[in-house]
Amino acid sequence: GAGVSQTPSNKVTEKGKYVELRCDPISGHTALYWYRQSLGQGPEFLIYFQGTGAADDSGLPNDRFFAVRPEGSVSTLKIQRTERGDSAVYLCASSVTESTEAFFGQGTRLTVV
Amino acid sequence: GENVEQHPSTLSVQEGDSAVIKCTYSDSASNYFPWYKQELGKRPQLIIDIRSNVGEKKDQRIAVTLNKTAKHFSLHITETQPEDSAVYFCAASDTGRRALTFGSGTRLQVQP
Repeated sequence: GAGVSQTPSNKVTEKGKYVELRCDPISGHTALYWYRQSLGQGPEFLIYFQGTGAADDSGLPNDRFFAVRPEGSVSTLKIQRTERGDSAVYLCASSVTESTEAFFGQGTRLTVV
Repeated sequence: GENVEQHPSTLSVQEGDSAVIKCTYSDSASNYFPWYKQELGKRPQLIIDIRSNVGEKKDQRIAVTLNKTAKHFSLHITETQPEDSAVYFCAASDTGRRALTFGSGTRLQVQP
């Protein structure tokens, strides 16, 4: 596709459940980022991949959050034992390299009830 | 870590007027400062960016200025149009860390 694709666009889950959010970056982009955006706030950094490896995961809030990018393309953000405070829009972005423009996906709106 | 403050949180202008949004940052190592526009329910989109080796950059009606000494940068939109209405975010990063730290956003409303 032409842009960063995120699925699902919306996810409602019960407290305590496990969820996976998928990001399909622009083809050829080696850098991939996950951000979380709460209502009325700016995006908050979670994790950055360069290729297959997590180059910086300092933004992950706790060990319930984990992300992978096994083949250096598609990435999955995994959240265990979801809590109501995890409700937010999860944004993925990719760039050709880490020093070039980052393009954002539409996001996945996660609601934990 | 980096902290980015953005002001004002809301801004209302008349069509044709100018709009200015200001941001300050804390980490002197930051050297890349993009601005994103986000319309309701849509993805953030880059509108302009500036690197620390220049003090000003302009693209048609949009300009950004950077003062490294004072650690602040500003977005200037001239001849505003209703379609400029959106939330604008400033951000900062250093090439060592790669990740962007965003401000809290400015909701700009251009009254026709």
